[in-house]
Amino acid sequence: EIVLTQSPATLSLSPGERATLSCRASQSISSYLAWYQQKPGQAPRLLIYDASNRATGIPARFSGSGSGTDFTLTISSLEPEDFAVYYCQQRDNWPFTFGPGTKVDIK
Amino acid sequence: QVQLQESGPGLVKPSQTLSLTCTVSGGSINSGGYYWSWIRQHPGKGLEWIGYIYYRGSTYYNPSLKSRVTISVDTSKNQFSLMLSSVTAADTALYYCARSFSNYADSWGQGTLVTVSS
Repeated sequence: EIVLTQSPATLSLSPGERATLSCRASQSISSYLAWYQQKPGQAPRLLIYDASNRATGIPARFSGSGSGTDFTLTISSLEPEDFAVYYCQQRDNWPFTFGPGTKVDIK
Repeated sequence: QVQLQESGPGLVKPSQTLSLTCTVSGGSINSGGYYWSWIRQHPGKGLEWIGYIYYRGSTYYNPSLKSRVTISVDTSKNQFSLMLSSVTAADTALYYCARSFSNYADSWGQGTLVTVSS
């Protein structure tokens, strides 16, 4: 099973700041990585798939990069609605697995 | 816009079978290119992909749960279902159904909390 680790566990930032979240895979997963956003009481929402493709309706301030084992989600300028937990997920190998999450909270 | 809605008992006794159904609206489960998944989230914890099914019936189960999981589809009702047998307290979680394309979950139900307790 591929293990995903995310860092940092918590990121404290102010609105308007840039957020950089990291996801590392225990083995190469090519570009088969997605990012999800989850707010309290809601289901996760797909943001990015195949490492760098924005899902339908996702604002351009969200971008993804990386391949192999190291991936990054960047939020260029945080909006108030962006404070949430972010998960990465790999689909290179079954079972598909998620990282433990990074919480982006308001500083 | 496809919508998914989980339904089923919120309380299951230990050693019994958890049964949930996901009803899909706004789209047909028969439409190719999508898989239909069950994903769970333990309280305050991360996400675990339980398994998924294609409308023609092919299934994929997480090896950690494989001996206890059955996912089935009823295309006439536009539904798919999860059965998890011999449940314990460790199966207490928020259960989500989801549509997945290319094995990414792009549409999710709101989730249903299942508690295993006597």
